[in-house]
Amino acid sequence: QKEVEQNSGPLSVPEGAIASLNCTYSDRGSQSFFWYRQYSGKSPELIMFIYSNGDKEDGRFTAQLNKASQYVSLLIRDSQPSDSATYLCAVTAGSARQLTFGSGTQLTVLP
Amino acid sequence: EADIYQTPRYLVIGTGKKITLECSQTMGHDKMYWYQQDPGMELHLIHYSYGVNSTEKGDLSSESTVSRIRTEHFPLTLESARPSHTSQYLCASSAPNRQIHEQYFGPGTRLTVT
Repeated sequence: QKEVEQNSGPLSVPEGAIASLNCTYSDRGSQSFFWYRQYSGKSPELIMFIYSNGDKEDGRFTAQLNKASQYVSLLIRDSQPSDSATYLCAVTAGSARQLTFGSGTQLTVLP
Repeated sequence: EADIYQTPRYLVIGTGKKITLECSQTMGHDKMYWYQQDPGMELHLIHYSYGVNSTEKGDLSSESTVSRIRTEHFPLTLESARPSHTSQYLCASSAPNRQIHEQYFGPGTRLTVT
């Protein structure tokens, strides 16, 4: 079992819809959770991080964390074609200063 | 957001050549990382450093080496490039005294070994 798992997609949603991206992790000691966006041929860009159970909102993005279920998600409201990218989930555990990345979910927002 | 720079952005080089990929950051970040990523594939950590004169190998076995003589500079060297080294190399850094350890990435170097 991979440490961080994501559905590879591709996930397609129409413009204006809510895109829901999911991530599960295996290490119960994981403490910080990150979402990165990576456009094709570009480097990952940090969208947001979360470390407490519940929701964290930043503009059109909402990260949701459920540590009991070892599950973190990213919701993108009012999806735009410019949101089309691969979204990477990453996790740190305890005092670890490294990130473990999932393989990413490819999102396509259809005009 | 970190200012992190990588040069060159693109490099095509012949087998057997020695190459150094440069990475610099201007934010005083103590932690720096090198990742390797093939197109459409996962990021793999190949080297990291938590400060000057501190370097460690990552999860992915790599024939490259790194050095950290200055806080802002973390170059990666391949002594003898091979076609199997063709990939994108991404440098990242993370700030000191942070419990969250978010990493910020440079633009990457796309290496092709012919």
